[in-house]
Amino acid sequence: AQTIHQWPVAEIKAVGSPLSLGCTIKGKSSPNLYWYWQATGGTLQQLFYSITVGQVESVVQLNLSASRPKDDQFILSTEKLLLSHSGFYLCAWSFWGSAETLYFGSGTRLTVL
Amino acid sequence: GDSVTQTEGLVTLTEGLPVMLNCTYQSTYSPFLFWYVQHLNEAPKLLLKSFTDNKRPEHQGFHATLHKSSSSFHLQKSSAQLSDSALYYCALTHQGTGSKLSFGKGAKLTVSP
Repeated sequence: AQTIHQWPVAEIKAVGSPLSLGCTIKGKSSPNLYWYWQATGGTLQQLFYSITVGQVESVVQLNLSASRPKDDQFILSTEKLLLSHSGFYLCAWSFWGSAETLYFGSGTRLTVL
Repeated sequence: GDSVTQTEGLVTLTEGLPVMLNCTYQSTYSPFLFWYVQHLNEAPKLLLKSFTDNKRPEHQGFHATLHKSSSSFHLQKSSAQLSDSALYYCALTHQGTGSKLSFGKGAKLTVSP
């Protein structure tokens, strides 16, 4: 069975500080990987997606970047946090043959002060 | 491009009454439609997805029918339960894209005794 692990569960960070969020998918090779962001009370906004190692496409940057250093790992980061970065960050995966169904990780709650 | 328009904002129901959340879409190609449910402080989970053979998907008492003639995929349940209180998102993608799932703005369903 496939599992998706996101870390950390929650972060409280200062404006201007760096950030790194990660997720790992086990049990499925070559998944499609995604980062979503959800502002408090807001809808799901796709940020990035990756179909293969080393390739990441940006949908909405929000002064963030993403990387896929390994087949099963997806990293979201920024060197300088803004207040507007606060929210709920979700990693998700899908695969060919799943009829494009997205499976979400448990998310990271980020508060920027 | 693709877009999803759904019942959004707050929807308040009394337990036992029927649930109806609307979802209509615009799409250039033949789409897959989804309903995702997100309970408080949890990640979204797939509730239903459309079939290509016009079968009506059902899960946890919810059902939805894809009507291509009206471009709709409304979510219904005959009798609301307290545990149905959650955020509901309608979403759309195409087969083979592997990259883009367009979400509606979400509806917060609150079921009261």
